[in-house]
Amino acid sequence: SQQGEEDPQALSIQEGENATMNCSYKTSINNLQWYRQNSGRGLVHLILIRSNEREKHSGRLRVTLDTSKKSSSLLITASRAADTASYFCATGYGQNFVFGPGTRLSVLP
Amino acid sequence: DAGVIQSPRHEVTEMGQEVTLRCKPISGHDYLFWYRQTMMRGLELLIYFNNNVPIDDSGMPEDRFSAKMPNASFSTLKIQPSEPRDSAVYFCASSLTRTGVTEQYFGPGTRLTVT
Repeated sequence: SQQGEEDPQALSIQEGENATMNCSYKTSINNLQWYRQNSGRGLVHLILIRSNEREKHSGRLRVTLDTSKKSSSLLITASRAADTASYFCATGYGQNFVFGPGTRLSVLP
Repeated sequence: DAGVIQSPRHEVTEMGQEVTLRCKPISGHDYLFWYRQTMMRGLELLIYFNNNVPIDDSGMPEDRFSAKMPNASFSTLKIQPSEPRDSAVYFCASSLTRTGVTEQYFGPGTRLTVT
């Protein structure tokens, strides 16, 4: 299965701290994406990284990809209460990709 | 653009009834996806379309589930007959492919409860 597995399942931090979530997958991919889901809402795309890229930044987000280890990490710096949400990685080829079970992040004020 | 629109937002029905979920993708997008999300199974891809044509329906759980996309601006997911285990949040998403891979835009979801 190409399914990504996020780690940890749940993470609780204080506002201002950094949050790191990891995603591991099993088979070769050509892209990996991270999404956020606020409670009761649909998923929102955060960032896409292609298999030939090692690192991407978007605002307070930093994503790394290590294809040799089949893993990716999402770092949120200077977290805010509004970052409280579930975060999912999606792995695959083209338009056909699979979402992992997600990491529930709680940022405490 | 208003984003992906789904209706209804909530649906409560009795076992055995037919349920129809509706989706309007973002104008101009050429891919449309239907997902189901539950606590037990997470987010599952049910079926996706490209230019209104079903490409992969291997995620459709049973023959009770069917999906159509009669035109570029409308899709339906039908469950007939519905069962309590179909209770979930159903999401529709759309995307536009120019360079091969792009992000998916999700609708707000339809929360289905089958009693």
